[in-house]
Amino acid sequence: DAKTTQPNSMESNEEEPVHLPCNHSTISGTDYIHWYRQLPSQGPEYVIHGLTSNVNNRMASLAIAEDRKSSTLILHRATLRDAAVYYCILRVTGGGNKLTFGTGTQLKVEL
Amino acid sequence: NAGVTQTPKFQVLKTGQSMTLQCAQDMNHEYMSWYRQDPGMGLRLIHYSVGAGITDQGEVPNGYNVSRSTTEDFPLRLLSAAPSQTSVYFCASSYRRLAGGRDEQFFGPGTRLTVL
Repeated sequence: DAKTTQPNSMESNEEEPVHLPCNHSTISGTDYIHWYRQLPSQGPEYVIHGLTSNVNNRMASLAIAEDRKSSTLILHRATLRDAAVYYCILRVTGGGNKLTFGTGTQLKVEL
Repeated sequence: NAGVTQTPKFQVLKTGQSMTLQCAQDMNHEYMSWYRQDPGMGLRLIHYSVGAGITDQGEVPNGYNVSRSTTEDFPLRLLSAAPSQTSVYFCASSYRRLAGGRDEQFFGPGTRLTVL
């Protein structure tokens, strides 16, 4: 199965942009890149997803490398409420709706 | 919409007891699934269903049973609880076909289960 690699933790200051990296060197051409986040004591929530092109939504931006072997989730202005574990997940072709979670990146946001 | 609801929020069992974790969704989603999350770990898929009457095993199905008699409900049964099943359990739902803007999976708030 295609695998993702993320840093265990990152820190940011409030109101500053945050770039969360993800490596997925074994991605296949039709695998989608999904990002979910999990706030403390809550279930995961969808953030954004993409295939080849960069994507923007109200929560974040997703920048996908041209070779698709890596991607970056961008939070434009971090707030204390963005402190969470961020999961980069590949939704593989033929895998239906299954999401395979790694251990993610713990984002700490400080004043 | 209430979204995905799970009951109970907390449960303590003794080894060998059985119980059912409830999950319901009101979004008319075909796909529902159960995950477990152990401390410091990501979520692992237990069972899933692509529609009423259809279920299949995920990554860690042993010791758990599911059925899907309606679109709305997807209960998870622990047949004989063991301490290794101490975990936080999350239910999720989504449209079966993830495309055209319907790409999001919705997760419930979780059930925290302790088996003594």
